[in-house]
Amino acid sequence: EDKVVQSPLSLVVHEGDTVTLNCSYEVTNFRSLLWYKQEKKAPTFLFMLTSSGIEKKSGRLSSILDKKELFSILNITATQTGDSAVYLCAALDYGNNRLAFGKGNQVVVIP
Amino acid sequence: NAGVTQTPKFRILKIGQSMTLQCTQDMNHNYMYWYRQDPGMGLKLIYYSVGAGITDKGEVPNGYNVSRSTTEDFPLRLELAAPSQTSVYFCASSKDRGQPQHFGDGTRLSIL
Repeated sequence: EDKVVQSPLSLVVHEGDTVTLNCSYEVTNFRSLLWYKQEKKAPTFLFMLTSSGIEKKSGRLSSILDKKELFSILNITATQTGDSAVYLCAALDYGNNRLAFGKGNQVVVIP
Repeated sequence: NAGVTQTPKFRILKIGQSMTLQCTQDMNHNYMYWYRQDPGMGLKLIYYSVGAGITDKGEVPNGYNVSRSTTEDFPLRLELAAPSQTSVYFCASSKDRGQPQHFGDGTRLSIL
């Protein structure tokens, strides 16, 4: 059974801090690792990582994948209150085209 | 840009009632999915479809049915609602196999 584990499950930081979120996975036919941000409603897509060691960046967010050690990290620098959300990690099993989701990292940024 | 649209946003059902959760997408995506999300848990796949007329079970299909008569629509049906089906339901779509999934805003369903 495909498995995705995220840590820490929740954290509280001050504005301006840097946050590092971890995601490890065990997937039979691994293809890609995806990160989503979920505020009140729909998860919104952040990154899809397919190749090991290549960092993807979008503003203050960045992510990287290690396919040898089977994990990914999501970094948020200079955090703002608008970064408060649950960050979901999902691993794509290309054999059945299913996403296996972790439980999420709940991030609270206080002013 | 409408994207993935789900209706209703909220619903309360009594045990044993039935209902259909609607999902439509205007991005001409081939793949569509239904997930449920329980508090503190990741999303669990209920059913998915790779195109009109084709559906398949996910991890937690019991108690649900789906149909896919058009590319745009992918309704989820609960025939005999049970308290264990209280959850937030998300519909998603993707262009093709292996592409990122895009989610609707969800339907919060309570069964009492």
